[in-house]
Amino acid sequence: AQRVTQPEKLLSVFKGAPVELKCNYSYSGSPELFWYVQYSRQRLQLLLRHISRESIKGFTADLNKGETSFHLKKPFAQEEDSAMYYCALLYNQGGKLIFGQGTELSVKP
Amino acid sequence: EAGVAQSPRYKIIEKRQSVAFWCNPISGHATLYWYQQILGQGPKLLIQFQNNGVVDDSQLPKDRFSAERLKGVDSTLKIQPAKLEDSAVYLCASSFTAYEQYFGPGTRLTVT
Repeated sequence: AQRVTQPEKLLSVFKGAPVELKCNYSYSGSPELFWYVQYSRQRLQLLLRHISRESIKGFTADLNKGETSFHLKKPFAQEEDSAMYYCALLYNQGGKLIFGQGTELSVKP
Repeated sequence: EAGVAQSPRYKIIEKRQSVAFWCNPISGHATLYWYQQILGQGPKLLIQFQNNGVVDDSQLPKDRFSAERLKGVDSTLKIQPAKLEDSAVYLCASSFTAYEQYFGPGTRLTVT
């Protein structure tokens, strides 16, 4: 069955430290994966998608089909990166997103 | 452009009462989604509309939840009767393509 797992509920780092938010997926088809972010008092919004291979706000994510992972990385965390991050899988190309449980990133000064 | 609008933002009801949520998507977005987000979990899709037709409602508890999208624009999600476990944030989203969904602010429902 299709599933997205984010093993960490909370990740706390200091400003300037590297960040890696983990995401693993289970899906029998060809996966399309996304990271969505929700800053405090703001709406859930798309951060990046693997098909575009962009770097948004310094974040990157590489799809590793062998390890079925799509970890989100940033070399130097900033305080404004503090937010909830959700990994999501597009099911059957039809628009249905399957979300992970989310990881709260806290960047301390 | 104006974002996805939802109302009300907060609602408190007693169990067995009914409640309705309203969503106005971004103009031109044919696809509309309703998600349920229980505290501590990621959003879960309840129903997906393409224009005014249902694409996926496999996770909608149809004995108590209903949704409609008249004229392919606004949508209403109803719960009748509500249970304690329905306490959650209900998110509406819309999209032009499957690759980016735009979310509304959500409605926080508390069932007592």
